[in-house]
Amino acid sequence: GAGVSQSPSNKVTEKGKDVELRCDPISGHTALYWYRQSLGQGLEFLIYFQGNSAPDKSGLPSDRFSAERTGGSVSTLTIQRTQQEDSAVYLCASSLRGVNTGELFFGEGSRLTVL
Amino acid sequence: DQQVKQNSPSLSVQEGRISILNCDYTNSMFDYFLWYKKYPAEGPTFLISISSIKDKNEDGRFTVFLNKSAKHLSLHIVPSQPGDSAVYFCAAEQGAQKLVFGQGTRLTINP
Repeated sequence: GAGVSQSPSNKVTEKGKDVELRCDPISGHTALYWYRQSLGQGLEFLIYFQGNSAPDKSGLPSDRFSAERTGGSVSTLTIQRTQQEDSAVYLCASSLRGVNTGELFFGEGSRLTVL
Repeated sequence: DQQVKQNSPSLSVQEGRISILNCDYTNSMFDYFLWYKKYPAEGPTFLISISSIKDKNEDGRFTVFLNKSAKHLSLHIVPSQPGDSAVYFCAAEQGAQKLVFGQGTRLTINP
């Protein structure tokens, strides 16, 4: 497809389990972002990739969260030992030139529910 | 520390009238502001933006106003249409390649 693709769209897991969320950005987009939206909250920045490197990891909430990007394309966000407070919609976005022009294209998100 | 705030969680407007969505920020170093629109089960989509060197930007039915002294921006939609019903997010950028978002305002346009 032409847009940002995320999988799974929904994930229900038990507390303590690890989860992986995948993002397939728009082809050719060099910048990739992960945000999350908890219930009733705004979009919270998690991490930003330029190519395969992550110049800004400042938003990752704890060391249970990690992300990687390979081949300048697909990215995986991994949450280890999930907690109930990790429940949120995790949104991925990609951009060709960065945020200044508003050209941040979001996927539909992965809804994570931790029981 | 919420650097971008949208204090109205919801707003209801009659079709054809003007919708005004407000946003306040605390960081005077923000140099670019954006509005995104989000429908249920979809990702946010870019709507309109404004640079900090301007005080107004207009695009069709959508106008964004920036008041730097008050650290306030607003989005005006006129006339409002049923398809405008969505959650609107205000966002700010500081040149650090990331956007800081507000909590969102749910706009409902009533026929």
